[in-house]
Amino acid sequence: QKEVEQDPGPLSVPEGAIVSLNCTYSNSAFQYFMWYRQYSRKGPELLMYTYSSGNKEDGRFTAQVDKSSKYISLFIRDSQPSDSATYLCAMSPTSYGKLTFGQGTILTVHP
Amino acid sequence: GAVVSQHPSRVICKSGTSVKIECRSLDFQATTMFWYRQFPKKSLMLMATSNEGSKATYEQGVEKDKFLINHASLTLSTLTVTSAHPEDSSFYICSATPAPYEQYFGPGTRLTVT
Repeated sequence: QKEVEQDPGPLSVPEGAIVSLNCTYSNSAFQYFMWYRQYSRKGPELLMYTYSSGNKEDGRFTAQVDKSSKYISLFIRDSQPSDSATYLCAMSPTSYGKLTFGQGTILTVHP
Repeated sequence: GAVVSQHPSRVICKSGTSVKIECRSLDFQATTMFWYRQFPKKSLMLMATSNEGSKATYEQGVEKDKFLINHASLTLSTLTVTSAHPEDSSFYICSATPAPYEQYFGPGTRLTVT
């Protein structure tokens, strides 16, 4: 079993839809959770980070962490074609530590 | 956000030669940088943790003699792929953490070994 599981998709939604992206994990030592967006042939771009359980909102993006279920989510409201990318969840047991990534979910938002 | 650069962005080399990839933190100092490898349509896999002024820490299964890492200053880490072979062709990405929780990635280097 992988430490971090993420449905690779692909996920295709119409413009304006709410997108839900999820990851599950098995290592209870993970305390820090991040979401990255990666466009083709580019490095990952940090979208959001959260510590421990709870919700965090930033514009159209909301990140949720449920440590009791070992489950994290990223919601994208009013999705735009420019949101089309691969979304990677990542997590770490420490604030400066190495990251363990999910497989990435390929998202396409069509006009 | 913080800026991490990589050079070159793309390199093609012949089998048996060595290639050096540079990773720089442009607007912050990084005592630790990370090197990842990514295959097409796959996730990032950590290769090693680069520590300024000391030896790198390699992940299990990564050949330290093949992937040489040097972190000579607080803003520069280099990855040298020695005696490269076609199976070393991949997308190499570095990252650094200027503040807690925030790990920023470079744009990546695409290595093709012919």
